Amino acid sequence: EDKVVQSPLSLVVHEGDTVTLNCSYEVTNFRSLLWYKQEKKAPTFLFMLTSSGIEKKSGRLSSILDKKELFSILNITATQTGDSAVYLCAEHSGAGSYQLTFGKGTKLSVIP
Amino acid sequence: ETGVTQTPRHLVMGMTNKKSLKCEQHLGHNAMYWYKQSAKKPLELMFVYNFKEQTENNSVPSRFSPECPNSSHLFLHLHTLQPEDSALYLCASSLTRGADYNEQFFGPGTRLTVL
Repeated sequence: EDKVVQSPLSLVVHEGDTVTLNCSYEVTNFRSLLWYKQEKKAPTFLFMLTSSGIEKKSGRLSSILDKKELFSILNITATQTGDSAVYLCAEHSGAGSYQLTFGKGTKLSVIP
Repeated sequence: ETGVTQTPRHLVMGMTNKKSLKCEQHLGHNAMYWYKQSAKKPLELMFVYNFKEQTENNSVPSRFSPECPNSSHLFLHLHTLQPEDSALYLCASSLTRGADYNEQFFGPGTRLTVL
């Protein structure tokens, strides 16, 4: 059973739309939740969330964590074709562990 | 190129070949990681090195052999691979000393094809 579940697995939107990507995770020894954007090869870091209810924002992207319901969302407003990518969610859990557990990703396609 | 670099970017090898993947990080980090990314699967952690010591090995077959001579360099030695080992191999690094959280930075990956 997957420990980090992302939804939807793929999404097609038009430029200018707002999208919400979802990530649910398991609670065992939770330390942080991370979002990455993967366009061609290297995943690039977007956000790291450790506290519930505190929104992190970077331009048109924002993310929030709900530690009670065990999920996080990534919002992208006024989408552009350059936002087309796979968005990965990862959980860092376990004291003394450096392992990140990744979800399968959400493939976002933004069409003109 | 700065950050985390990987060579080669593409590799095609036969099942009897021996090859090595190289990763180098220029970020002053102390931990390095190898991941495998196959189609329609989550990123799979293979190995973790912290201060040159291997701390995690996620049941990876022995045909994959990692080497970490120092905190800036990481190798993955490959031999007698199978076609199902074809995938994107990503290297990452992070600062774990004195850090509560594990923000990892990734290299561009090596696209490996095993014939």
